[in-house]
Amino acid sequence: DTAVSQTPKYLVTQMGNDKSIKCEQNLGHDTMYWYKQDSKKFLKIMFSYNNKELIINETVPNRFSPKSPDKAHLNLHINSLELGDSAVYFCASSHTGSGYTFGSGTRLTVV
Amino acid sequence: DAKTTQPPSMDCAEGRAANLPCNHSTISGNEYVYWYRQIHSQGPQYIIHGLKNNETNEMASLIITEDRKSSTLILPHATLRDTAVYYCIGLNTGTASKLTFGTGTRLQVTL
Repeated sequence: DTAVSQTPKYLVTQMGNDKSIKCEQNLGHDTMYWYKQDSKKFLKIMFSYNNKELIINETVPNRFSPKSPDKAHLNLHINSLELGDSAVYFCASSHTGSGYTFGSGTRLTVV
Repeated sequence: DAKTTQPPSMDCAEGRAANLPCNHSTISGNEYVYWYRQIHSQGPQYIIHGLKNNETNEMASLIITEDRKSSTLILPHATLRDTAVYYCIGLNTGTASKLTFGTGTRLQVTL
C-alpha cells in the first residue's frame, strides 16, 4: 500500500514536448506538494496545494502547471520541455503544518 | 522559516552511535525541528521531529537544547543502510508552511 505514488517513475522525452506527471496519496492528507531535485541534488519546493487550492508557487516558469482535481491527487503538467527541466520530481503530502510523506520520485530526462 | 547549519559530511563506524548536529539559532517559538534523510536518490524519509522536549522513536532520538538554538539527531546503532544525506529543517504550523531543504549532512557508515 504505497502512501504517495507517482507515475511514471522514468520519463525520457524530447525538447519542446508536453508531458504530465501524476501523483496520488492515500493518507487522507489535506496538502500536497511538488519538489524538484536538480543534478546538484538540491531539493526545492515548486508548488503546494491545500484542499485543491494553490497556496505556494515558488517562482516556477509558467510552463509548469499543477492541477489538483481532488485532495488526493496533484498532477504536474509541463509544456515546451527544455533541457534544464531534466531533474527528479518528488510529490509529497501532509496534514497542514505537520511532517511530509514523499513519493519515490519521477526522473525526467529531456533530450 | 529558521535557517539551519549542518556539517557537510560525517563518518560513523557500523554499530556505533551516529550523532548529527544542527544549529538553528534563529528558530522561532512555533517552529518545530524536523529531521529527514534521503538515501541515494529515493524520496526524503521522515525520521523524527520535536519542539522543546527530547524525542525518541524506533529510528532515532532527538536532543534539543534548552535554548532551542541547536539539536542533535542520534542514530543509536548505525548500519550501512543508514548511509544517507540527513536534513535538519525548521517548520512552523501554518497553512503556507513549507519544508525547505538545505544541503544537509552526508553520513557515511563504514564497516
